[in-house]
Amino acid sequence: QSALTQPPSVSGSPGQSVTISCTGTSSDVGGYNRVAWYQQTPGTAPKLMIYEVTNRASGVPDRFSGSKSGNTASLTISGLQAEDEAEYYCTSYISSGTYVFGTGTKVTVL
Amino acid sequence: EGQLVESGGDVVLPGGSLRLSCAASGFTFNDYGMHWVRQAPGKGLEWLSVISWDGDTTYYADSVKGRFTTSRDDSKTSLYLQMKSLRPEDTALYYCAKIKQKVTLGDAFDIWGQGTMVTVSS
Repeated sequence: QSALTQPPSVSGSPGQSVTISCTGTSSDVGGYNRVAWYQQTPGTAPKLMIYEVTNRASGVPDRFSGSKSGNTASLTISGLQAEDEAEYYCTSYISSGTYVFGTGTKVTVL
Repeated sequence: EGQLVESGGDVVLPGGSLRLSCAASGFTFNDYGMHWVRQAPGKGLEWLSVISWDGDTTYYADSVKGRFTTSRDDSKTSLYLQMKSLRPEDTALYYCAKIKQKVTLGDAFDIWGQGTMVTVSS
């Protein structure tokens, strides 16, 4: 159950696009379309952003999008806004009902 | 929409035990599987455990298997995490979370509580 690999940080100016990768194996990310993304701001609980690789959760702006290729999932924020500054975590379902989170990525809006 | 409220966090000695609770409201509790997730201070999220909607099935992360037990009481719409043989590395904020879809274990976590802090220290 090794954590999925995410870059520690990404940054962009307002209006730019940033992409966060989430790399696993064929036993997790590559094996299931059960990848989700969560946003966490300091002192708050995580918030579901994307589920089943590409689906936006209720109320999530359409500038957030998800995708997957092989063993790597990605979260793209298009038209970056100041309120998008947060920590982002991916997660994947593994067989037998277990899950694994990514290492987390800090998004900074310059 | 639904709400989850954790409680029971405390300071405990290494080797000690503690039971966390998670009170659910605003949704049909017995239709949904539930998770426990923790976050050590300044660290990332770690998945711990899941329990099925009917309570018949539980799974655990290797890091807590054999030490932690997840259960639920649908009559009280509550989820529990019984922790024993606690270690300093178990120090974390513990969250409960609801699975998005009914009667499945394989879906995202759409509602989270605010967390309850467990500190394991002598």
